[in-house]
Amino acid sequence: GAGVSQSPSNKVTEKGKDVELRCDPISGHTALYWYRQSLGQGLEFLIYFQGNSAPDKSGLPSDRFSAERTGGSVSTLTIQRTQQEDSAVYLCASSLRASMGPEQYFGPGTRLTVT
Amino acid sequence: QKEVEQNSGPLSVPEGAIASLNCTYSDRGSQSFFWYRQYSGKSPELIMFIYSNGDKEDGRFTAQLNKASQYVSLLIRDSQPSDSATYLCALWISSGSARQLTFGSGTQLTVLP
Repeated sequence: GAGVSQSPSNKVTEKGKDVELRCDPISGHTALYWYRQSLGQGLEFLIYFQGNSAPDKSGLPSDRFSAERTGGSVSTLTIQRTQQEDSAVYLCASSLRASMGPEQYFGPGTRLTVT
Repeated sequence: QKEVEQNSGPLSVPEGAIASLNCTYSDRGSQSFFWYRQYSGKSPELIMFIYSNGDKEDGRFTAQLNKASQYVSLLIRDSQPSDSATYLCALWISSGSARQLTFGSGTQLTVLP
């Protein structure tokens, strides 16, 4: 079946502009995660959605970052007033709900470059 | 102290050898551990997960977990050049309302032909 999809694959924006990144999870997966990976670095957790529960936003680095998930499926990560330090690959992952921990499947990522 | 520590490498092994990748963690409440492989410029892909102490084998891969020592490892037998990638260790933290998969910074493996 189809995997996790993300769009756009690449985004170049000017400092101060807002950007929206989209994630479409695997059908039937109730959990959705956003991560950020800077060049040569590990994955930094941003936000987690599980069904209709309140999201875990503890990883969002500032109030310029927000995310929503509509209808329990597609998610949008919004970065307002982008800064150069926001340049990174933004990865989305989805999983079935699991009590012992999720097997997360990642999308191809969106490479964001802030100039 | 980081919650998940990995030797960044690079680790080089000859083709056919056993590659051993190690990971230590600090959260004693963690119960689930995952190994991901990430090729350069690609997104991570799940290799294995382990919940219980001991070994878990899947093909050429063996994950080992020792909760008392807070140590998890990944062994790759008969290493192939196609195994050259960065290997990410991750632990699942479930505490209160938080649900996070916390990743180490990864170990870069190179398998030499």
